[in-house]
Amino acid sequence: QSALTQPASVSGSPGQSITISCTGTSTDVWNYNLVSWYQQHPGKAPKLIIYEVTKRPSGVSNRFSGSKSGNTASLTISGLQAEDEADYYCCSYAGSNAFGGGTKLTVL
Amino acid sequence: QVQLQQSGPGLVKSSQTLSLTCAISGDSVSNNNAAWNWIRQSPSRGLEWLGRTYYRSTWYNDYAESVKSRITINPDTCKNQFSLQLNSVTPEDTAVYYCARGERWGELGIDSWGQGTLVIVSS
Repeated sequence: QSALTQPASVSGSPGQSITISCTGTSTDVWNYNLVSWYQQHPGKAPKLIIYEVTKRPSGVSNRFSGSKSGNTASLTISGLQAEDEADYYCCSYAGSNAFGGGTKLTVL
Repeated sequence: QVQLQQSGPGLVKSSQTLSLTCAISGDSVSNNNAAWNWIRQSPSRGLEWLGRTYYRSTWYNDYAESVKSRITINPDTCKNQFSLQLNSVTPEDTAVYYCARGERWGELGIDSWGQGTLVIVSS
């Protein structure tokens, strides 16, 4: 059972924006600004797209953004593109890395 | 650009030991600003962090409680690689295993991943 709760699936049309939530507890998400997000395409390793709640690694599109409120972190993807169709995982750090169950994004 | 290349068998029998190696290029296993992790992924357990090794003037290891009694992660400074050993495996340990690098202790994200190794534990 994952420590962090994500919706199983979300969908959106090209050009739209979607948001994926990640709900933790007061001992992880709420207490630390150490939430990261990963994109995973089928058969591939996860790829870091957001770290420290809001920061993007070099080379990651600015269509990806992160935020946090209380014990819920969120990933927003704006201007949806077909290539964004993938699984997305949140991760919090409280001494070690704990992952959410993942959200499947479908681009309609 | 850090690259991680995994090697090891994809089939292990129940009660035996799972062993994987991760060769590092573009960084050093002795980097005192990085941690070297093993993470696995299965449909039933999702992404699960297993443990890490890191160097901070001496070597440290941290392991997930779920596997703490069965796991060993070792660095190999001569070959610039690190390894995973998981003892007494059961079919529940069937998963894709990834080696991965984290900045500092991994709190800034896991920024490099190996290609993944599907390990099937046969009963």
